Amino acid sequence: DSGVTQTPKHLITATGQRVTLRCSPRSGDLSVYWYQQSLDQGLQFLIQYYNGEERAKGNILERFSAQQFPDLHSELNLSSLELGDSALYFCASSVASDSGNTIYFGEGSWLTVV
Amino acid sequence: AQKVTQAQTEISVVEKEDVTLDCVYETRDTTYYLFWYKQPPSGELVFLIRRNSFDEQNEISGRYSWNFQKSTSSFNFTITASQVVDSAVYFCALTPKAGAGSYQLTFGKGTKLSVIP
Repeated sequence: DSGVTQTPKHLITATGQRVTLRCSPRSGDLSVYWYQQSLDQGLQFLIQYYNGEERAKGNILERFSAQQFPDLHSELNLSSLELGDSALYFCASSVASDSGNTIYFGEGSWLTVV
Repeated sequence: AQKVTQAQTEISVVEKEDVTLDCVYETRDTTYYLFWYKQPPSGELVFLIRRNSFDEQNEISGRYSWNFQKSTSSFNFTITASQVVDSAVYFCALTPKAGAGSYQLTFGKGTKLSVIP
């Protein structure tokens, strides 16, 4: 158990809909990351937050957004969903924002868009 | 740009055999970090090891060992006396120490290891 908690674990929704994925980082970790794992693209970095502020952006679509709240939990919002958004979405956390900190991943949220 | 190549897509071994998973990386950064993660069939990503680019000492943890060779840009992972529970997809990842991209892991495509009883 990495200590990173993600909900829901599984989600099935229709095209065009909007979903929110939730993440609680490990106790004491200030940095939260979101990654997407799909069959064709592999594991891709989406976005990072550190202590409530956006720190880095990767290959995140404009239809997707995220935020980190004062209690440090984070949410990833996916809107106008398409079939291609079906993937495993990981949240991860680390103590600080510096690279080299070990990044611990949650169990992921399986999103299926039908 | 950074790149991580795991040329072995799938490997099958019989239980108790040793197996080495290859990882070759490309980076222009002089200092960076390398990681290995394990993804069992249940889906979670489990951290295995982190290595600094300036530390080329090999590391052993139980049945796991890692061979880091900066000269060949490789960070290979060996499992000794494999067990069925080792069956998983293993990912190698890279991040620069500083500068653009230093907050994101660049992953390889992964190697699926099947250990047959």
